[in-house]
Amino acid sequence: IQLTQSPSFLSASLGDRVTITCRASQGISSYLAWYQQKPGKAPKLLISAASTLQSGVPARFSGSGSGTEFTLTISSLQPEDFATYYCQQFNSYPFTFGPGTKVDI
Amino acid sequence: QVQLQESGPGLVKPSQTLSLTCNVSGGSMNSDDSYWSWIRQPPGKGLEWIGYIFYSGSTYYNPSLKSRLSISVDTSKNQFSLKLTSVTAADTAMYYCARNWVGHPFDIWGQGTMVTVSS
Repeated sequence: IQLTQSPSFLSASLGDRVTITCRASQGISSYLAWYQQKPGKAPKLLISAASTLQSGVPARFSGSGSGTEFTLTISSLQPEDFATYYCQQFNSYPFTFGPGTKVDI
Repeated sequence: QVQLQESGPGLVKPSQTLSLTCNVSGGSMNSDDSYWSWIRQPPGKGLEWIGYIFYSGSTYYNPSLKSRLSISVDTSKNQFSLKLTSVTAADTAMYYCARNWVGHPFDIWGQGTMVTVSS
């Protein structure tokens, strides 16, 4: 299953509302996760099952979608949110990741 | 709290075998509901799932690497290992081990270990 993300790069300001889209090459129900990765660090799971926020993740992050189209939204961008975001499908093996969206100032 | 830690050589020569180990602490690998995976990320690029092993030893490999790949588990040491044969520069990457519950994504990751393939 191929995943595409758009945009691949996003320039934003503090307080902005940011939306990233992930599309799957075939239906994956809600078996989609979002990760945040900062330079030199392992990815961190933000959202599971398309919209389930992980414990400890700020409520400004939200996810939606099912089937083949999904979105990650950051309602008000904070300094610590500048990072690269990846989607990942866990509907079937081999698990695959999207190419990433870099959110920069 | 389960933690993962990768270890292994940081430099491997072309055509040789890349070998890494992931040590699991803070919990047992002997769980019916956990899969233990390897994931890699070439410098400046995205993430690629390599394969998983279950505590019983059953495995599933990414078809793109299957012919060169072996993942094993040693539950007595609470660790699992990766062997990738006939490496080339394209195998240069940060290698992560990670856990996922059955039917869930990767919730726990190691810090990663960088492997460079070069003569």
